Amino acid sequence: GAGVSQSPSNKVTEKGKDVELRCDPISGHTALYWYRQSLGQGLEFLIYFQGNSAPDKSGLPSDRFSAERTGGSVSTLTIQRTQQEDSAVYLCASSYAQGLGYEQYFGPGTRLTVT
Amino acid sequence: KQEVTQIPAALSVPEGENLVLNCSFTDSAIYNLQWFRQDPGKGLTSLLLIQSSQREQTSGRLNASLDKSSGRSTLYIAASQPGDSATYLCAVTGNTGKLIFGQGTTLQVKP
Repeated sequence: GAGVSQSPSNKVTEKGKDVELRCDPISGHTALYWYRQSLGQGLEFLIYFQGNSAPDKSGLPSDRFSAERTGGSVSTLTIQRTQQEDSAVYLCASSYAQGLGYEQYFGPGTRLTVT
Repeated sequence: KQEVTQIPAALSVPEGENLVLNCSFTDSAIYNLQWFRQDPGKGLTSLLLIQSSQREQTSGRLNASLDKSSGRSTLYIAASQPGDSATYLCAVTGNTGKLIFGQGTTLQVKP
């Protein structure tokens, strides 16, 4: 079946603009995770959804970052007033359920460049 | 706070060698540990998932072990091939299922 998809694959934006990144999880997966991969920081957790609710937003770096999930499926990560330090690859993952024993499947990522 | 460390950061070996990648974590209260592969410019591919109650998992030429009490895992790759060249990431699962990653080991297998 189809894997996790993300769009766009690449995004170049000017500093100060808002961007939206989209994630389509594997059908039937209730848990969805956003991660960020940047040079020097490695892979960092941002936010986690179980269904449409986000029990853990602890990784969001500032209040410029927000995310939502609708219909228990598609998720959108929004970055307002982008800064150069936001440049990174944003990865989305989904799993059948939260927590114990469930493997996470990753999408190809969105490469964000803020100029 | 959980921290994951991978050693070495980079490794270059001739084709055919057996090799071991190391991963250590500071908090033994994990639910599971996953090894991933990442090719340049690509997403992550899951290789092996070891539950906290398990000691090892095998898939083809790959074998991953877990010693939760000592906070260590190893990924053993047998008879390495040039196609194995990639970055290998170790990650442990915390109490919400979020993954905490090491910095990765970049492997180059020379023909």
